[in-house]
Amino acid sequence: KAGVTQTPRYLIKTRGQQVTLSCSPISGHRSVSWYQQTPGQGLQFLFEYFSETQRNKGNFPGRFSGRQFSNSRSEMNVSTLELGDSALYLCASSLGQGSQEQYFGPGTRLTVT
Amino acid sequence: KQEVTQIPAALSVPEGENLVLNCSFTDSAIYNLQWFRQDPGKGLTSLLLIQSSQREQTSGRLNASLDKSSGRSTLYIAASQPGDSATYLCAVPLNDYKLSFGAGTTVTVRA
Repeated sequence: KAGVTQTPRYLIKTRGQQVTLSCSPISGHRSVSWYQQTPGQGLQFLFEYFSETQRNKGNFPGRFSGRQFSNSRSEMNVSTLELGDSALYLCASSLGQGSQEQYFGPGTRLTVT
Repeated sequence: KQEVTQIPAALSVPEGENLVLNCSFTDSAIYNLQWFRQDPGKGLTSLLLIQSSQREQTSGRLNASLDKSSGRSTLYIAASQPGDSATYLCAVPLNDYKLSFGAGTTVTVRA
């Protein structure tokens, strides 16, 4: 079974631009979560989607948004990029119940200059 | 609010020594606890998942215990190898399916 895939793996953007990251979950998984990882803040929860509905959202500004498609693939978008948005963005998939194991993708490294 | 703490932040041991990594959490109402490994610049690899009804889980050289009443989990890695060098994170899900992570323990195994 293929694991969680994320594209692109690396991105370099300039301040003010916007970016879209993509995540394809493990086949059969309906929940996709997004996390931001930085050296200073560690892993921070962005949002979680289940069957195309956002069920949870972390404490990030409205510039961070996401969506999930009917095939469970998910995208997150960051508009008006700031230097502080430079981070490793990770997505995780699971079956969707709280007791299920979470599987993470390799991440997208975003650098904002 | 669930807070997850991992001590120590870093650990350096000679090859062959057993590793003991600690994780504590403040709210014992957890569904499960998951241990992950992260290599520099990479994603997270799931190592072990312990359900709230379990006391321990084993996989090869890895053994994780869970004591909900005291809010603690311990990951044991037997006979460490240089390839075990990585950052190890523990995480617990909340009722809303968000994972709360510890800051991690960075392990270096010296050859």
